[in-house]
Amino acid sequence: NAGVMQNPRHLVRRRGQEARLRCSPMKGHSHVYWYRQLPEEGLKFMVYLQKENIIDESGMPKERFSAEFPKEGPSILRIQQVVRGDSAAYFCASSPLLAGSTDTQYFGPGTRLTVL
Amino acid sequence: TQLLEQSPQFLSIQEGENLTVYCNSSSVFSSLQWYRQEPGEGPVLLVTVVTGGEVKKLKRLTFQFGDARKDSSLHITAAQPGDTGLYLCAGVGQGGNQFYFGTGTSLTVIP
Repeated sequence: NAGVMQNPRHLVRRRGQEARLRCSPMKGHSHVYWYRQLPEEGLKFMVYLQKENIIDESGMPKERFSAEFPKEGPSILRIQQVVRGDSAAYFCASSPLLAGSTDTQYFGPGTRLTVL
Repeated sequence: TQLLEQSPQFLSIQEGENLTVYCNSSSVFSSLQWYRQEPGEGPVLLVTVVTGGEVKKLKRLTFQFGDARKDSSLHITAAQPGDTGLYLCAGVGQGGNQFYFGTGTSLTVIP
């Protein structure tokens, strides 16, 4: 059973370009979380999605950032017109969300975005 | 606003020493999780504590959840170089699917 897959692992973009980060959850998991991490810091929640639904996007910047989790295919975190401040590691986590229990997240290896 | 504060932020100790990492908040959580993250990798779940006052042991690691479910501690006995990494606590919201990560503690164990 493959773990959470993220690609690319490293992404370099110039200011003003678009960045697309992909996350394939573990098999059987229908919930995806996206986090952002700066060096030596904790993870900042961005967005929580179920298939075809955004459940909580309270951590997502209002402009330039969007996320989706279609019925088929991976979850996508999209950053338009990137700026240097977007440089960070972006982690995706998936969970099965068993009713009545604390959710357990399984993290992917992350995508390291560098904006030149 | 950072819901969960961890201390210390950085810790460098000799192999064989003991250490404690703290995770504090003014908010109440339904449960609290501890993760360890190695450079270039995603966090890996170590433990989930659910009940106020709960203590869980994982080999040389002891995790405690505060009675009021606002804080937690991680104690490592006889630290080894393999314990080196970033330790993160995460408070779980009442719905079970909202996670608030702490600021992180970067641990280095020197051989």
